[in-house]
Order: sequence, then C-alpha cells, then structure tokens
Amino acid sequence: NAGVTQTPKFRVLKTGQSMTLLCAQDMNHEYMYWYRQDPGMGLRLIHYSVGEGTTAKGEVPDGYNVSRLKKQNFLLGLESAAPSQTSVYFCASRSSHYEQYFGPGTRLTVT
Amino acid sequence: GQQLNQSPQSMFIQEGEDVSMNCTSSSIFNTWLWYKQDPGEGPVLLIALYKAGELTSNGRLTAQFGITRKDSFLNISASIPSDVGIYFCAGRTNSGYALNFGKGTSLLVTP
Repeated sequence: NAGVTQTPKFRVLKTGQSMTLLCAQDMNHEYMYWYRQDPGMGLRLIHYSVGEGTTAKGEVPDGYNVSRLKKQNFLLGLESAAPSQTSVYFCASRSSHYEQYFGPGTRLTVT
Repeated sequence: GQQLNQSPQSMFIQEGEDVSMNCTSSSIFNTWLWYKQDPGEGPVLLIALYKAGELTSNGRLTAQFGITRKDSFLNISASIPSDVGIYFCAGRTNSGYALNFGKGTSLLVTP
C-alpha cells in the first residue's frame, strides 16, 4: 500500500497563475481532507469530503476549490494564486476509527 | 475549528531523558490522536486513544486520554536523537468530521 500520495512535491507559481494539487489514497477511505501548514499556525483545514461526489468547506476555504470525482482522489485547485497561499499543503484520508493518515505534502511558493 | 492548547511549545533535552507534553481543550473530545512530523515530511500517526482514562503505548511512547475528556498527555521515555521532530496532538468531538490540532511541540535531542 502506498497510503496517501501527493503530486507535485514542489511548485513555484507567479501571482495570478492557477494549478491543481492531486491527492490519491489506496486505503478505500471515505473521508479525505486538505490542510495547509504555516509556521506558527499549525494545520488548518481548507476543504474536506465525506465521500465521492461530496465536498465541504473547512476553516480557511477562500481562494481554493476542490473536487472528489473518484473515491480515491481529492483535487485541490487554486484558480488565481496569491502570495498569501505560499504554504505547505497536506492531504489526509480518514479511517473508520477516525484516524487520519497524511501524505508527504506539497510545498508551494507564490511569487 | 477549535485550536487545542499544546505545551510546551519546544523542548531541548539530552539523550536518555524522559519527555512529557500535553494538550488541553475547552471541549469534550471522543478521540485523541498524537502525531510526529519530521522536517520536510507529513505527520505520522503515533498513537490513537478512544476512551477516557485509556493509556496506550507504542514502544517508548505512552499516551493517555484524560479523565475529563478535555486533555491528553504524551510521554517519551529514554529519548534518542531520532525522536527529534514536531509532535502534534489532535482531537475529535462527537459531532466533528474533522480533527482539531494543537500547534505542536518541537523536540530537540542532543547526544
């Protein structure tokens, strides 16, 4: 099992550009999450999904969109990147016992 | 989401020493989780707790679910250099789809 994988690992964007971060899990989990991690701020929830075809807003959803077309994939989109979106992004999936398993992260810099 | 109060923020100890850290919340939680994050990696689940008073070990790590259900503790015995990293607590309320995270305890271990 690969667990949770994320692509890409690193990305540099210019302000106004768009991109999509891909998360994939092979554990057949229903719930998936996107977080951002910033120094001194801990992990903050952006969006989450409770199953294929569903999405919901988390704590800091502005500037991001998500889609869950397939159970194993959860996509995070930035339509018009801003420097404030420079961060490390983590995807996670949740077991039936509420344990969340994280991917290795995507380090995004917006200049 | 609710931020948990995690302390201490950082610890600088010598190899062989024991370590204690804790997490408190103003809400009652049904699940407590402890994660470790190495530099440049995603958080890795160490221990999951599901019942008040529960004490669970994973090697040299021991975690407890507080009796009040508003706190949790993590102890590391006989620390070694590879224990270096950031330790996060996370909790889930009865109605929550998502986890609430602490801001982490940064642990440094000198040989």
